Amino acid sequence: EIVLTQSPGTLSLSPGERATLSCRASQSVSDSSLAWFQQRPGQAPRLLIYGASNWATGIPDRFSGSGSGTDFTLTISRLEPEDFAVYYCQQYGSPPGTFGQGTKVEIK
Amino acid sequence: QVQLVESGGGVVQPGKSLRLSCAVSGFTFRNYAFHWVRQAPGKGLELVAVISYDGSNTYYADSVKGRFTISRDNSRNTLYLQVNSLRVEDTAVYYCTRGGTSDVATGSFHWGQGTLVTVSS
Repeated sequence: EIVLTQSPGTLSLSPGERATLSCRASQSVSDSSLAWFQQRPGQAPRLLIYGASNWATGIPDRFSGSGSGTDFTLTISRLEPEDFAVYYCQQYGSPPGTFGQGTKVEIK
Repeated sequence: QVQLVESGGGVVQPGKSLRLSCAVSGFTFRNYAFHWVRQAPGKGLELVAVISYDGSNTYYADSVKGRFTISRDNSRNTLYLQVNSLRVEDTAVYYCTRGGTSDVATGSFHWGQGTLVTVSS
């Protein structure tokens, strides 16, 4: 089973700042089969990025994903108030698929 | 649009069983793989089980192997999760998610709103 480690655990930033979230895999993720999700309190997670760098439908371009192999990054170029939430990565190249433990982006 | 609606959650005693269901609409059910993902209160996401488009391939997390069974009825557009021998640590919101392809090697691209299972004596 591939273990995903997200860092940092919590990111304290102000609106308008840039956020950089990391997801590191214990072994190579095949075909860059990595997704990013946003979860706001009381809501189900929402797909942001799939295939490491492809936007899901309706996702604003201030969100971007990059990386391959074992190291992946989600970048939020300028934080909007609605972006303060928890973010998860998921690898799905090796079934059954696994999630990282999450990064909370909070208002500083 | 894509809709997934879970049901079947509730309060149950340790050792008992439940069957969770996920009814879908807005797309062709038989073309996609599905997952059950759970989230314990205040915790992160755990992928519990995945099933291919035709039910021929299934995978389970080690924490539920032998106790949980994922299945699907393509004639009823419904996904199921049979949960047996429930433990207190199975308490969570259980989400039904749809993959992006028919194969089990797919992400959780669409999510339902979840159904809460509480295991307590």
